[in-house]
Amino acid sequence: AQTVTQSQPEMSVQEAETVTLSCTYDTSESDYYLFWYKQPPSRQMILVIRQEAYKQQNATENRFSVNFQKAAKSFSLKISDSQLGDAAMYFCAYKEKMEYGNKLVFGAGTILRVKS
Amino acid sequence: DAGITQSPRYKITETGRQVTLMCHQTWSHSYMFWYRQDLGHGLRLIYYSAAADITDKGEVPDGYVVSRSKTENFPLTLESATRSQTSVYFCASSSSGNTIYFGEGSWLTVV
Repeated sequence: AQTVTQSQPEMSVQEAETVTLSCTYDTSESDYYLFWYKQPPSRQMILVIRQEAYKQQNATENRFSVNFQKAAKSFSLKISDSQLGDAAMYFCAYKEKMEYGNKLVFGAGTILRVKS
Repeated sequence: DAGITQSPRYKITETGRQVTLMCHQTWSHSYMFWYRQDLGHGLRLIYYSAAADITDKGEVPDGYVVSRSKTENFPLTLESATRSQTSVYFCASSSSGNTIYFGEGSWLTVV
């Protein structure tokens, strides 16, 4: 089974500054997908960004971007110009193949606090 | 666009009681999932379904039962609730398995 590790239980960032959340994963596959999900206090799971392993270009969605290092099995999330609304739990996830379809394997999460 | 609807959103039940959490999606997605979220564990897969009448176990299936007679519904039943099943439960769906969309969660407390 694949594993996903988020080594930072909690991070803080000043409003308008940049923060990077770390994620590493373990896999023997060559083609796969990686995701970052945001979970605000409402507990809703919101997809932030997705990266396909065969694409060398790092994915970007507005203020959110990733640093995907395939050889190192690293998938960090960079949040630029942090806003108060970015405060949430962030989960890194790996898409794992199953007998029927795919499932997501999640890391334990990183709590991001944004200071005004 | 209703998406995924979970019910009930909040439930308190007693140890030993049977509880069913409902999940309904309006996208006609083939794949549906049940996850539970506990502090320090992130989300862990309980059961999943690739289509109507096709279900399989995830990481933590013990004590749970699922069924999928219709594509749009995927109920999760706790046959005899235990305190260790106090958690937040998320239903999710996907058309291709590439991007998975989540419901708003069901808070279950077993006393």
